[in-house]
Amino acid sequence: SQKIEQNSEALNIQEGKTATLTCNYTNYSPAYLQWYRQDPGRGPVFLLLIRENEKEKRKERLKVTFDTTLKQSLFHITASQPADSATYLCALDTGGGNKLTFGTGTQLKVEL
Amino acid sequence: ETGVTQTPRHLVMGMTNKKSLKCEQHLGHNAMYWYKQSAKKPLELMFVYNFKEQTENNSVPSRFSPECPNSSHLFLHLHTLQPEDSALYLCASSPSKSGRSNYNEQFFGPGTRLTVL
Repeated sequence: SQKIEQNSEALNIQEGKTATLTCNYTNYSPAYLQWYRQDPGRGPVFLLLIRENEKEKRKERLKVTFDTTLKQSLFHITASQPADSATYLCALDTGGGNKLTFGTGTQLKVEL
Repeated sequence: ETGVTQTPRHLVMGMTNKKSLKCEQHLGHNAMYWYKQSAKKPLELMFVYNFKEQTENNSVPSRFSPECPNSSHLFLHLHTLQPEDSALYLCASSPSKSGRSNYNEQFFGPGTRLTVL
């Protein structure tokens, strides 16, 4: 069956450290992968998109990698801050353009 | 704000009621979506509309009936729902399908928290 798994349900790290979140998938060949942030009671907010022919993408303190051989994406937040605490969702293109399938999300908590 | 609004934000209804959720986007997009988000489950895509035409129905029960009168508005009509339909219903929009990667980003509204008694 088709599956998208995000490492742990919850991840706690200390302020200033790098948070690394994992997204693994099976039985898909996505043209791109996206990462979203969701705060409690709000809709997801787009962060980054990486295409199948790109190995790495950066935006300020965020970095995403995409390994289509391993079927895995890693999402890094460097110099993490308490304001980075949220749930992070990965989403795969599974329908040729605008059909996204989401993972269950990883709840990140950055502690002082 | 993302440019996508949803009303109401909260809705409590009985199983015999009929209600509608409304979504409006002010971004000039041509694709709109309904998602369902239940506790401990991933976002589930329900419906996709491109240029007002439904292009995806993800095996959604007929008690959920979408309507897209124009590219800026999307409705979800609800009738004879079940308690397990209680969830956060999210609307999203995006530019129409395109070969350019940055056109696939989706903009979400804040959601309607639905409780079915």
